[in-house]
Amino acid sequence: AQSVSQHNHHVILSEAASLELGCNYSYGGTVNLFWYVQYPGQHLQLLLKYFSGDPLVKGIKGFEAEFIKSKFSFNLRKPSVQWSDTAEYFCAVNTGTASKLTFGTGTRLQVTL
Amino acid sequence: NAGVTQTPKFQVLKTGQSMTLQCAQDMNHEYMSWYRQDPGMGLRLIHYSVGAGITDQGEVPNGYNVSRSTTEDFPLRLLSAAPSQTSVYFCASSYSSVLEVTEAFFGQGTRLTVV
Repeated sequence: AQSVSQHNHHVILSEAASLELGCNYSYGGTVNLFWYVQYPGQHLQLLLKYFSGDPLVKGIKGFEAEFIKSKFSFNLRKPSVQWSDTAEYFCAVNTGTASKLTFGTGTRLQVTL
Repeated sequence: NAGVTQTPKFQVLKTGQSMTLQCAQDMNHEYMSWYRQDPGMGLRLIHYSVGAGITDQGEVPNGYNVSRSTTEDFPLRLLSAAPSQTSVYFCASSYSSVLEVTEAFFGQGTRLTVV
């Protein structure tokens, strides 16, 4: 069974700082990779997804992620965070059907003014 | 389109009570799933369905039942509530495609407290 590790549990940044959140997965075969965001009190929303092609994928709100197959990683980045990016971020993978996602434990991002 | 609709939004149960969390989607998605979200543990898959009449267990199925009689609805039943089932429950749906990776669309969640 696959697993997902998010090493940063709580990150505090000042506005305009750069962001990188780590995500590593354990599965030797083909995977589909996702980053979801959950704003306070809201449901999960998709930030970006990857399944093949260019390993650098761009998502909404200026986020991007890079798939590095050799490192089993799919790190999320944003050059300059905003206060409105305060949220919890989840990395997730599936290996087939879209109904079975395996999530990481999440990273809580707090952006201060 | 309303997307994925979950009811109720909040619920308090006594230990041993049963209840059904409702989930409906209006996007004609074949796939539907239930997850529970607990602090520090992310989301864990309870049950999922790949179409009407077809369900299967996820990572944490004990204490929960599901059925899928229609494409639109995927209710989650708690048979005899326990304090360990205190959690936030999310329903999700997605469509199948051989051409692209499909994303899961999530409902607003149901916050359940078992006392």
